[in-house]
Amino acid sequence: QKEVEQNSGPLSVPEGAIASLNCTYSDRVSQSFFWYRQYSGKSPELIMSIYSNGDKEDGRFTAQLNKASQYVSLLIRDSQPSDSATYLCAVNRNRDDKIIFGKGTRLHILP
Amino acid sequence: DAGITQSPRHKVTETGTPVTLRCHQTENHRYMYWYRQDPGHGLRLIHYSYGVKDTDKGEVSDGYSVSRSKTEDFLLTLESATSSQTSVYFCAISQGYEQYFGPGTRLTVT
Repeated sequence: QKEVEQNSGPLSVPEGAIASLNCTYSDRVSQSFFWYRQYSGKSPELIMSIYSNGDKEDGRFTAQLNKASQYVSLLIRDSQPSDSATYLCAVNRNRDDKIIFGKGTRLHILP
Repeated sequence: DAGITQSPRHKVTETGTPVTLRCHQTENHRYMYWYRQDPGHGLRLIHYSYGVKDTDKGEVSDGYSVSRSKTEDFLLTLESATSSQTSVYFCAISQGYEQYFGPGTRLTVT
């Protein structure tokens, strides 16, 4: 079983709609969870961190964490063409100082 | 951008030659990381450092070595470059549990 799994996409969402990105992880003791956005040819950019069960909102972004189901999601409200990118889910097991990355989901916002 | 720079940003080299990539940070972060990113594999950790002269291997360390003689610089060396090491290389620092990335180096081995 892969440690961090994401659907590779592409996920196509109409402009103005809600984009929902999902991620599952295998290590039950994981404690820290991250979403990165990566534009083509650029480096990953941290957009959300979440450490507790529930929702965390930042502007148009909401991260959701369910540790019992080992599931993390990212919602993007009012999607814009500029949100078109690859979104990487990442997990820190807190056993060491390493983060494990998923392979990413490509998101395409349709104008 | 967490004050991280990488050099060179692009490099083409021949098989069998040694190559050194440099990561430089200006904010005195203790932890630094080298990743490679390839289609179908995502980001994979090569080596990391938890202080001056303190380094450890990641999941894809074969063919790579690192050095950290100063807090601000973390060097990645490909001892004898191979075509399989053609990739985009990212340096990162950690701040708490969060990691922040440099702009990357695109390396092509011909």
